[in-house]
Amino acid sequence: AQKVTQAQTEISVVEKEDVTLDCVYETRDTTYYLFWYKQPPSGELVFLIRRNSFDEQNEISGRYSWNFQKSTSSFNFTITASQVVDSAVYFCALSDGFNAGKSTFGDGTTLTVKP
Amino acid sequence: EAGVVQSPRYKIIEKKQPVAFWCNPISGHNTLYWYRQNLGQGPELLIRYENEEAVDDSQLPKDRFSAERLKGVDSTLKIQPAELGDSAVYLCASRKDTAYEQYFGPGTRLTVT
Repeated sequence: AQKVTQAQTEISVVEKEDVTLDCVYETRDTTYYLFWYKQPPSGELVFLIRRNSFDEQNEISGRYSWNFQKSTSSFNFTITASQVVDSAVYFCALSDGFNAGKSTFGDGTTLTVKP
Repeated sequence: EAGVVQSPRYKIIEKKQPVAFWCNPISGHNTLYWYRQNLGQGPELLIRYENEEAVDDSQLPKDRFSAERLKGVDSTLKIQPAELGDSAVYLCASRKDTAYEQYFGPGTRLTVT
């Protein structure tokens, strides 16, 4: 069975602070895919990034960076110099390699960035 | 490229009434998903379609929920009769065959009174 745990239910930071959202996953598969989605107050989940289990390279996209560590089954997401517009619920998700079309989502972390 | 379209955005009904949600996926996306999202939780899969075929409906409460995807494009999710516990946001998502990430619609917020 697959499981995604986002232990941080809510995080509040002041603008320009860096913040890291944690994601720990469980799977028995050797091939799998990890995702981060953003759900702003408007409600629509927006895809941010996908990583494959065989590619542990970290990725940076502007103020966003992702740290994938198979040894600790973690896929953490860092926002550098946070902005008010980053306020949203962030979901980590996992798909197995055999049935990549099916994703298991964590319960999300609500990030509030205060001005 | 137009995104996933859902309607209605909001629906308030009394318990025991029927309700239906409609979804139009992104053009060319053969896989369509219906999720239910309860407050403070992540989306939970109800049903997944590959073209017209429902390939995963193990989480769909079949006594009161039904879904269809005629012609492999639009889809409708129905609840009959609705119960108080069905109050949630119902999300539709689509995915193209060559990718793993999903694209979500804005959802339908259902309130059952």
